[in-house]
Amino acid sequence: DAGVIQSPRHEVTEMGQEVTLRCKPISGHDYLFWYRQTMMRGLELLIYFNNNVPIDDSGMPEDRFSAKMPNASFSTLKIQPSEPRDSAVYFCASSFMGMTEAFFGQGTRLTVV
Amino acid sequence: DAKTTQPNSMESNEEEPVHLPCNHSTISGTDYIHWYRQLPSQGPEYVIHGLTSNVNNRMASLAIAEDRKSSTLILHRATLRDAAVYYCILNNDMRFGAGTRLTVKP
Repeated sequence: DAGVIQSPRHEVTEMGQEVTLRCKPISGHDYLFWYRQTMMRGLELLIYFNNNVPIDDSGMPEDRFSAKMPNASFSTLKIQPSEPRDSAVYFCASSFMGMTEAFFGQGTRLTVV
Repeated sequence: DAKTTQPNSMESNEEEPVHLPCNHSTISGTDYIHWYRQLPSQGPEYVIHGLTSNVNNRMASLAIAEDRKSSTLILHRATLRDAAVYYCILNNDMRFGAGTRLTVKP
């Protein structure tokens, strides 16, 4: 397996634009996590899914953020409209049954100007 | 907020053992203790996990206190490549704290 795949690796966008980050988890994994990492706030859990269903979205900062998992192979994190303070590295991770290790993607570095 | 607390930073000399502590005083009976590390410009990577008994793998050892309220990650011989931020988390929470930044001196 190629591991957790995130796209794009880098995204530069203007304030007010819509941004969509994508994640393909490892095949067979039933948990998917979205994280955001900044120097100031560290690694924050935004939302996680179990069997494609959102379980805890308490970390989603504002209504501008939304996440979906239409099937077991794909998830998106959307920011609309984007703001400069959304600039961060966004990580996706997946795991099996929530007890074993989580595997992280390489992250998407988002810059909002 | 994360349910674990760790020292902000630690230093070690190359080829010496390193003991990285973690407190998780509110741990529940079903929580597994997981350790991850993050190298510069990379995503976190799994190191080791355990429930009650001490665990060993090729990367490290995990010593878990009898009351499970604390644990220690042990790197038996630190190398320069082990310089990273080390995180201790509980699997039922999956929230990361600030972690411990390990510096390894040659």
